[in-house]
Amino acid sequence: DAGVTQSPTHLIKTRGQQVTLRCSPKSGHDTVSWYQQALGQGPQFIFQYYEEEERQRGNFPDRFSGHQFPNYSSELNVNALLLGDSALYLCASSLGRINSPLHFGNGTRLTVT
Amino acid sequence: AQSVTQPDIHITVSEGASLELRCNYSYGATPYLFWYVQSPGQGLQLLLKYFSGDTLVQGIKGFEAEFKRSQSSFNLRKPSVHWSDAAEYFCAVSTGNQFYFGTGTSLTVIP
Repeated sequence: DAGVTQSPTHLIKTRGQQVTLRCSPKSGHDTVSWYQQALGQGPQFIFQYYEEEERQRGNFPDRFSGHQFPNYSSELNVNALLLGDSALYLCASSLGRINSPLHFGNGTRLTVT
Repeated sequence: AQSVTQPDIHITVSEGASLELRCNYSYGATPYLFWYVQSPGQGLQLLLKYFSGDTLVQGIKGFEAEFKRSQSSFNLRKPSVHWSDAAEYFCAVSTGNQFYFGTGTSLTVIP
């Protein structure tokens, strides 16, 4: 039973560039959430996708956008990268009902130089 | 506003000793509470969850947590720590579709 998979594992980008991160949810899950984890901090909610729509969004600027595909996989896009966007980006999948436990992937480490 | 506080940034215990990690939450409605563990370079793994009912919940790897509404706390415990328990531990509260995490407690286990 495959868990949540994310790609790539590491990424180095230059300030001002754009990046796309990818996530495949755990088998049987239909909901994908994205979290940003800065060094030494807990994960911060970016947004959640369900039925190919953004269901809820955290306190992140519009430079952060996403997409969910019919097979429930998801992408996170970040435009106009800033140095402060350097972090571990975690994808979590869950069942569609509220308060459903999150199952996390191993994350993508993004470094912006 | 909802939030989670983990007062202890770092804890060191001896292998075989008992462990308690503290978590306090702020949330106006019925809380749905979780503990996750993160090993270096890894994602977060669910240890246990509290939704309702019995205030003492059991999780994986021998962990348990007790929900105390009067203290707004959800402390994690383990009777005997193993070296493999060394990791970062996060407490979280769910508000429906969004989880709020604490800043984590780093656990070091000494032989």
